[in-house]
Amino acid sequence: DVKVTQSSRYLVKRTGEKVFLECVQDMDHENMFWYRQDPGLGLRLIYFSYDVKMKEKGDIPEGYSVSREKKERFSLILESASTNQTSMYLCASRKQGVETQYFGPGTRLLVL
Amino acid sequence: GQQLNQSPQSMFIQEGEDVSMNCTSSSIFNTWLWYKQDPGEGPVLLIALYKAGELTSNGRLTAQFGITRKDSFLNISASIPSDVGIYFCAGPAYTDKLIFGTGTRLQVFP
Repeated sequence: DVKVTQSSRYLVKRTGEKVFLECVQDMDHENMFWYRQDPGLGLRLIYFSYDVKMKEKGDIPEGYSVSREKKERFSLILESASTNQTSMYLCASRKQGVETQYFGPGTRLLVL
Repeated sequence: GQQLNQSPQSMFIQEGEDVSMNCTSSSIFNTWLWYKQDPGEGPVLLIALYKAGELTSNGRLTAQFGITRKDSFLNISASIPSDVGIYFCAGPAYTDKLIFGTGTRLQVFP
């Protein structure tokens, strides 16, 4: 079975803090994705990566950056957290050329 | 841009009832995916459809790829309390990303 894990299930941070969200997959998938999920807005793509050291902006990249130094790991960084970044963050991965994405359990982030 | 409209937005049903939901697209899709998200968890893939007209089952779940390639349907038979959650359809966008429907929230009462 594909396994996607996220470093934290719940996080509470203060405005202005730097926040790291980590995602690891164990199926040697080339592509990885970061989404945020908010009530009434569905899943919105923040950033994605086709492979190691590659990154592409999604639909809402502002206020975020990413890092993909190893194939299995994709990090989402909030350089200076703001209250409007309070959300559920979901990581996903997939094999290149296959549409099916596999999701992690999510990180619920609260920024105070 | 491409859009996925999912209906109904929410359903409140009694245990044992059958459930039907659908998803329509503004453009043709070559793949349809159905996910379920339990409260507080990430989406889990239920069924993947790759061919127009395809009908695929996974236990009590059955999904169909519409013959126009612009819609898909998910049915759940004899619902049980653990069916509670949000059901999402998804399909590939032109840009190699997935587009997700807004979800159908299912509540099952005993």
